[in-house]
Amino acid sequence: ELKVEQNPLFLSMQEGKNYTIYCNYSTTSDRLYWYRQDPGKSLESLFVLLSNGAVKQEGRLMASLDTKARLSTLHITAAVHDLSATYFCAVDGGRSGGSNYKLTFGKGTLLTVNP
Amino acid sequence: DGGITQSPKYLFRKEGQNVTLSCEQNLNHDAMYWYRQDPGQGLRLIYYSQIVNDFQKGDIAEGYSVSREKKESFPLTVTSAQKNPTAFYLCASTEGVTEAFFGQGTRLTVV
Repeated sequence: ELKVEQNPLFLSMQEGKNYTIYCNYSTTSDRLYWYRQDPGKSLESLFVLLSNGAVKQEGRLMASLDTKARLSTLHITAAVHDLSATYFCAVDGGRSGGSNYKLTFGKGTLLTVNP
Repeated sequence: DGGITQSPKYLFRKEGQNVTLSCEQNLNHDAMYWYRQDPGQGLRLIYYSQIVNDFQKGDIAEGYSVSREKKESFPLTVTSAQKNPTAFYLCASTEGVTEAFFGQGTRLTVV
């Protein structure tokens, strides 16, 4: 059974600081996704990582994937208040045929950026 | 605009009642999914469907049922057998290895 663990689960940081959220998973996969969720809202896709060594950047966020270590990181640079949200990683649980897949989500990291 | 529409946004269920959550997509995606989210938790998969007229149970299917009669529609019924249905329900769709696109969610509360 695929397990996905994120840490930390809660992160309070000051504006302007840097930090990293970690996502570990238990079985081989080369498809990992990061999502953002604002309170009471749905999930918004941030990054799609589809190969070992993949690195994607958007604004102050950068995500990477190391499939050998079964680890993805989401790095926050010079945080601003608008980044406050819950961040989820999700891992492809394996294909059951065709072009479809199942996702297993981590519990999420609640990020609060303080002035 | 292409997207996924869930309705209603809020739903209240009485004890012993079945309720149906709607999910419609116009993205022409083959696969559709239903997830449940409890406060402070990640998403758990209820059911998924890869093609019309076919669907599979996810990790927490007990007390739920689905149908996939049309490519664009994947309704979820929460039956009276689901003893703790209060949660946020999210519908999603995918095509290949692209990211899942989510609807805006339905918040179900037992009254």
